[in-house]
Amino acid sequence: QVQLQASGPGLVKPSETLSLTCTVSGAFISSHYWSWIRQPAGKGLEWIGRIYTRGSTNYNPSLKSRITMSVDTSKNQLSLGLSSVTAADTAVYYCARGLGNTAFDYWGQGILVTVSS
Amino acid sequence: QSALTQPRSVSGSPGQSVTISCTGTSSDVGGYKYVSWYQHHPGKAPKLMIYEVSNRPSGVPDRFSGSKSGNTASLTISGLQADDEAEYYCCSHAGSDTSVFGGGTSLTVL
Repeated sequence: QVQLQASGPGLVKPSETLSLTCTVSGAFISSHYWSWIRQPAGKGLEWIGRIYTRGSTNYNPSLKSRITMSVDTSKNQLSLGLSSVTAADTAVYYCARGLGNTAFDYWGQGILVTVSS
Repeated sequence: QSALTQPRSVSGSPGQSVTISCTGTSSDVGGYKYVSWYQHHPGKAPKLMIYEVSNRPSGVPDRFSGSKSGNTASLTISGLQADDEAEYYCCSHAGSDTSVFGGGTSLTVL
């Protein structure tokens, strides 16, 4: 059973960096690509970006300048960094496993991150 | 990269069929065979229902089907059940190995 669990601070101050980790169990992280997706309250899903375990990444153009993604195959974890956050970055953040070209077959439960001073 | 356009809401009675549309451009929906659909119940993780336009993952009932014509993809749910009431999102490849979601459609089972 593939499971993803996102973790990290639930509260981040404006202008600081949001840092999240997603721990994968039941699957080898090296066998797939992985994505981060978010959902602001009352709004739809927004694709943040994806990372292949060989290190290549693709990011949402609107967020590209602020995103950093990485993987740690030894820990079966992926990480997301989003710098210079504002209240607009307040959202539930999901990590998900990639399937085919553009599909996500396993999702974590999501973690609410609030940007506030 | 603009969000794909979905109707805000659709509704149907139990047993009926509903279709949710997802309209993009030739740079996303119209340009690739990579459209997926997700069912999202509040407080839960989204669930993949359709991938690559019309493929169903294992475990998804065949009441759910997907199609595409030009720049518009569609999700059809037949034999509506109460548990189908949820938010539905489409997602498409958008070039340069990026993805874009639709704004979401709220399905109400009357």
